[in-house]
Amino acid sequence: EAGVTQFPSHSVIEKGQTVTLRCDPISGHDNLYWYRRVMGKEIKFLLHFVKESKQDESGMPNNRFLAERTGGTYSTLKVQPAELEDSGVYFCASSPPSSSYEQYFGPGTRLTVT
Amino acid sequence: RKEVEQDPGPFNVPEGATVAFNCTYSNSASQSFFWYRQDCRKEPKLLMSVYSSGNEDGRFTAQLNRASQYISLLIRDSKLSDSATYLCVVNGGTSYGKLTFGQGTILTVHP
Repeated sequence: EAGVTQFPSHSVIEKGQTVTLRCDPISGHDNLYWYRRVMGKEIKFLLHFVKESKQDESGMPNNRFLAERTGGTYSTLKVQPAELEDSGVYFCASSPPSSSYEQYFGPGTRLTVT
Repeated sequence: RKEVEQDPGPFNVPEGATVAFNCTYSNSASQSFFWYRQDCRKEPKLLMSVYSSGNEDGRFTAQLNRASQYISLLIRDSKLSDSATYLCVVNGGTSYGKLTFGQGTILTVHP
């Protein structure tokens, strides 16, 4: 069974540009999460989808970040305009409908804003 | 104060050693507890869940003390392949899907 996949694996953009990250969860997983780790800090929760609905977006840092999950399958996370402090690794995770506790993580997207 | 606190280490131990990691959490409403393992530049992977009664998985033993809000992980007979960062993780309590991570404890096992 395929795991959680993320695209791209790396992205280098300039301050002020826009970047869109994509996550494909494990097939059949209704729950999808976004997390990020900035340098020197712990991994932090951004938001949680249940199917196409946002269950919890309390971790989204500001309105420059927009997450979508149209159709309840893959998800995108757009950063517009990017700032230097947005640099870090963005992880996506998914879990089956019966459990939100055992989350399976994707390999992450390493974002560098210069 | 961080919600989940861990000693960042690093811990450098020889093969065959026993090593213990500790973690404390601040949210008394937390309901689920985990140890994740993260290899360099890789994603976190669930190592084991932690239960109040304590649980064991091969060389790994996890303990939870809800009264003290304290979690531990014991690794016996360390292997070179155990070298990684160990992340203490708790469920967010009121937000059932949100995992809260500690900063991680770095373990290096040497020959």
